[in-house]
Amino acid sequence: KAGVTQTPRYLIKTRGQQVTLSCSPISGHRSVSWYQQTPGQGLQFLFEYFSETQRNKGNFPGRFSGRQFSNSRSEMNVSTLELGDSALYLCASSLVPQGPTEAFFGQGTRLTVV
Amino acid sequence: SQQGEEDPQALSIQEGENATMNCSYKTSINNLQWYRQNSGRGLVHLILIRSNEREKHSGRLRVTLDTSKKSSSLLITASRAADTASYFCATDDAGNQFYFGTGTSLTVIP
Repeated sequence: KAGVTQTPRYLIKTRGQQVTLSCSPISGHRSVSWYQQTPGQGLQFLFEYFSETQRNKGNFPGRFSGRQFSNSRSEMNVSTLELGDSALYLCASSLVPQGPTEAFFGQGTRLTVV
Repeated sequence: SQQGEEDPQALSIQEGENATMNCSYKTSINNLQWYRQNSGRGLVHLILIRSNEREKHSGRLRVTLDTSKKSSSLLITASRAADTASYFCATDDAGNQFYFGTGTSLTVIP
């Protein structure tokens, strides 16, 4: 079956702009989590959605938001981009809320803010 | 914030040797998982060990869990060049927060 699909793979944006990233989970998976990965901070948890509800949220400013649709696809939005938002954004899907089962990751979206 | 810390941060070994990396965490957990990440790509799940388990095997992988020391180790036996990657532990704590560790960068020299 198809894996987790993240689009776009690469993105270059200017400071102050906003960006929307998309994640299509594995068919049947209802949990989608988002992570930000940078060389300095490692893998930081952004948020998790399960059945269209935000289940958990990491320690990120309100500029970072997300949502999940009825087909389990998820989007995350970052408004008023800052240089420090440059990172690899990873999406993971799992059958149930993350933790007790393995998560399947997409290839990520590489965001560069200039 | 991150719950786990991997040790060492970087490890370089010859092909055929064993690689051991450790993960320490701070709070009680329900499960601990290990993931591998090839350069700049998504993570791949390797193995999950539950808090009531002490050891688990999967192919060339052996994972141990010591809840009293809040630590886990991942052993890769007979390493191959293709094992070159970063390895992360991830913990699921009692508050259902899921954290990744800082990662160990493994280089296997052919």
